[in-house]
Amino acid sequence: SAVISQKPSRDICQRGTSLTIQCQVDSQVTMMFWYRQQPGQSLTLIATANQGSEATYESGFVIDKFPISRPNLTFSTLTVSNMSPEDSSIYLCSVMGGDYNEQFFGPGTRLTVL
Amino acid sequence: GQNIDQPTEMTATEGAIVQINCTYQTSGFNGLFWYQQHAGEAPTFLSYNVLDGLEEKGRFSSFLSRSKGYSYLLLKELQMKDSASYLCAVRERSGAGSYQLTFGKGTKLSVIP
Repeated sequence: SAVISQKPSRDICQRGTSLTIQCQVDSQVTMMFWYRQQPGQSLTLIATANQGSEATYESGFVIDKFPISRPNLTFSTLTVSNMSPEDSSIYLCSVMGGDYNEQFFGPGTRLTVL
Repeated sequence: GQNIDQPTEMTATEGAIVQINCTYQTSGFNGLFWYQQHAGEAPTFLSYNVLDGLEEKGRFSSFLSRSKGYSYLLLKELQMKDSASYLCAVRERSGAGSYQLTFGKGTKLSVIP
């Protein structure tokens, strides 16, 4: 299984500002995934980040709001731009692996927007 | 798209058995996963079913019926540490040979003494 770390683990931000979340994996992976989990809700996929190409965004998520970088096979960043209180959520980085191509998740970044 | 349904909350007694159900509607089914998520932590993988039947792994078992769009997670000999949310997730083939994983909202299980 992959070991995934995220920074920061939590943050409290002001409306209108931006926050960049970092994700580091201990092995090289082709695809990295960014999820959001709002309070009491399910995990929702934001985008899939492939190294060397633009991220693929799911319906309801756009690059201007959630720009993603993927400079190499072990690292990715997700920026939450021009934040509003509705962006308060846990953001999780994930990779696929294991016997069943299951998802492994990072510890998450708990974001509160005031 | 997918529609995944599981109970919001369940309560069970330490030492007992509990069954958490999940129903889904999808085309291009490519597997069903169960994850455990303790409060404030990331989800961790529990089980995977792609063929009909029961998969057993220690105290946890998972069952799948593809024709009924139904799965359950069975937890035996419940322990207090099993108190967590249990997420059902369905993977389906989407266009251009890619796959999409969709999570249910999770079932919050409380184990009481």
